[in-house]
Amino acid sequence: NAGVMQNPRHLVRRRGQEARLRCSPMKGHSHVYWYRQLPEEGLKFMVYLQKENIIDESGMPKERFSAEFPKEGPSILRIQQVVRGDSAAYFCASSTGDNQPQHFGDGTRLSIL
Amino acid sequence: EDQVTQSPEALRLQEGESSSLNCSYTVSGLRGLFWYRQDPGKGPEFLFTLYSAGEEKEKERLKATLTKKESFLHITAPKPEDSATYLCAVRTGGTSYGKLTFGQGTILTVHP
Repeated sequence: NAGVMQNPRHLVRRRGQEARLRCSPMKGHSHVYWYRQLPEEGLKFMVYLQKENIIDESGMPKERFSAEFPKEGPSILRIQQVVRGDSAAYFCASSTGDNQPQHFGDGTRLSIL
Repeated sequence: EDQVTQSPEALRLQEGESSSLNCSYTVSGLRGLFWYRQDPGKGPEFLFTLYSAGEEKEKERLKATLTKKESFLHITAPKPEDSATYLCAVRTGGTSYGKLTFGQGTILTVHP
């Protein structure tokens, strides 16, 4: 059973570039969540999606960040015009329902030069 | 705003020395408390879900309990391979029912 797959595992970008992080949920999971872990901080919720719908984006920064979960393919977290403060580990999780346990991938470590 | 506080921040044990980790929470309408284990460079690994006060769950050397204000993760006769960061998270009702609010974690080190 494949778990939640995230790629790339490490991503380096220069300030002003775009970063695209991908997440393939576990088989049979239609609920996807993105979290961010800043250095020396805990995991913070960003966004909750179901297929083709954003359910809750209360944790997403208002600018430069967007997320999607299309009918076909992985969920994408997109960060435009990256800044140094975007350096963090970004984790994706999936579940079978909104009150079921969330299972996490191993994250994408984003570094901004 | 939902708050989750874990203590201690770090715990060092000798192999076989049992202890407990604490997770206290202040939320409106708890819809689940979750324990995870996180190893360096990895994502959180799901351990337990607790839904109501008085509930208990066990898995190998770990036992999680829940009251109306806090949860405990009891570790019995730990081994070095139990060394990890243990995370507690809560899910509440309202419009953010999919969102987990995490504590800062307890870093557990078990020495042989």
